[in-house]
Amino acid sequence: DAGVIQSPRHEVTEMGQEVTLRCKPISGHDYLFWYRQTMMRGLELLIYFNNNVPIDDSGMPEDRFSAKMPNASFSTLKIQPSEPRDSAVYFCASSYTGGSRYNSPLHFGNGTRLTVT
Amino acid sequence: GQNIDQPTEMTATEGAIVQINCTYQTSGFNGLFWYQQHAGEAPTFLSYNVLDGLEEKGRFSSFLSRSKGYSYLLLKELQMKDSASYLCAVSGGNNRKLIWGLGTSLAVNP
Repeated sequence: DAGVIQSPRHEVTEMGQEVTLRCKPISGHDYLFWYRQTMMRGLELLIYFNNNVPIDDSGMPEDRFSAKMPNASFSTLKIQPSEPRDSAVYFCASSYTGGSRYNSPLHFGNGTRLTVT
Repeated sequence: GQNIDQPTEMTATEGAIVQINCTYQTSGFNGLFWYQQHAGEAPTFLSYNVLDGLEEKGRFSSFLSRSKGYSYLLLKELQMKDSASYLCAVSGGNNRKLIWGLGTSLAVNP
C-alpha cells in the first residue's frame, strides 16, 4: 500500500502565478478530500469527491481555487492567481466507505507546503 | 454554530499518563475521531468512537460521552515519540464532512 501520494512536497511561487497541486489517492478508495492547514485556522475542508464527482465545494475560498478529479487515481487543486494569504500546507486525503458511511478513517498524503511571496 | 474545543498545549513526563480533552457542540453526531500529527507530517488515524464508553487500543484509549458532548484521549506509558499534535474531529451531518478542533500540542519530556 503506497499510501496517498501528493506532489510537489514544497512549492514556492510569486503572487499572481498559477499553482497546481497533485494527488494520487489509495487505490480502491471512493472518497477524496482536499484540506488546507494553517496555525490560525487548523484543518479546513476545501472540497471532496465521491467516485470522482465533486460533492461539496463550499469550502473553496473563492473562484481562484478549482479542483478536478478526471479519474479514480488522480486529482488536482489549482490556484490561479495565487496570493500570499494562500500560503499553507495543503493535504489530500482519501477514504473507503466499505458500506459504513461515517466511520471510515481518512488517509492523508504528506502534504504540499505552499509559500506565495 | 458548530465548535470543537481542545487545550492548545500540554506537557507531560516520559512514562506518565496524560488525558487530552475535547468538547464539541454540533448540530448532529455520527461519531468522533482522534488523529495524531507529528510536526511536519500528515495526520494519522488513532481512534473512532460512536457509542458512549471507553475504547482501548494498546497504550491509547478514547472515551466518549454523547450526552455531555465530551471525549478524551488517554495516553499511557508516555514515550518521547508521543510528542505530537492530537486532533479531535466530529462527524456531524448527513455527509462526509468533519468538524476539526485546532489540536492539542503535547510535549513529552524525559
